[in-house]
Amino acid sequence: DTGVSQNPRHKITKRGQNVTFRCDPISEHNRLYWYRQTLGQGPEFLTYFQNEAQLEKSRLLSDRFSAERPKGSFSTLEIQRTEQGDSAMYLCASSFGQGENTEAFFGQGTRLTVV
Amino acid sequence: SQQGEEDPQALSIQEGENATMNCSYKTSINNLQWYRQNSGRGLVHLILIRSNEREKHSGRLRVTLDTSKKSSSLLITASRAADTASYFCATDTNTGNQFYFGTGTSLTVIP
Repeated sequence: DTGVSQNPRHKITKRGQNVTFRCDPISEHNRLYWYRQTLGQGPEFLTYFQNEAQLEKSRLLSDRFSAERPKGSFSTLEIQRTEQGDSAMYLCASSFGQGENTEAFFGQGTRLTVV
Repeated sequence: SQQGEEDPQALSIQEGENATMNCSYKTSINNLQWYRQNSGRGLVHLILIRSNEREKHSGRLRVTLDTSKKSSSLLITASRAADTASYFCATDTNTGNQFYFGTGTSLTVIP
């Protein structure tokens, strides 16, 4: 296991199209996070899973965004009817913990460009 | 709004010098983490310090935490050109599971 894996690394899509990103966390990690990062900014929290349960969602996650983690392993993030403002780096992170947060390890991200 | 704010926004030093970056946050935390990000890449975890710890070391990195001032500092000693990157602090809170990031410090180490 070499860490958190995200696919694809880059995605260019036309406005209005749907896109789906995949994240494979470190295998024994029960926690999974999605973040979004735009140029010159720090990552912004989108959503958090503990095992297969989606426990927290940011107000940034509009109705066009949906995330799943069906078996508590990999996760997908889908954006429907993409807009130019969705262009960003989408980062996935995972960690292991039962109580307090522990070290979270990030993937390389998926860079989305909406044209 | 983002919880952590790094200072300075940009820092340029000569190779071999030490680099110090600061992070301030707003609410009580359980722990604070520092990350490095090379241009256009993912974040690399550097170090985690818990709210009951005051100082932690890892190689050339030294992190301090002052919960009374709601601040942390990251010191990189004997900097190298390969340390050129953006550095972010990330804080959790007592009420949630997400991490809050600041806008980062962009460090340039000149060979």
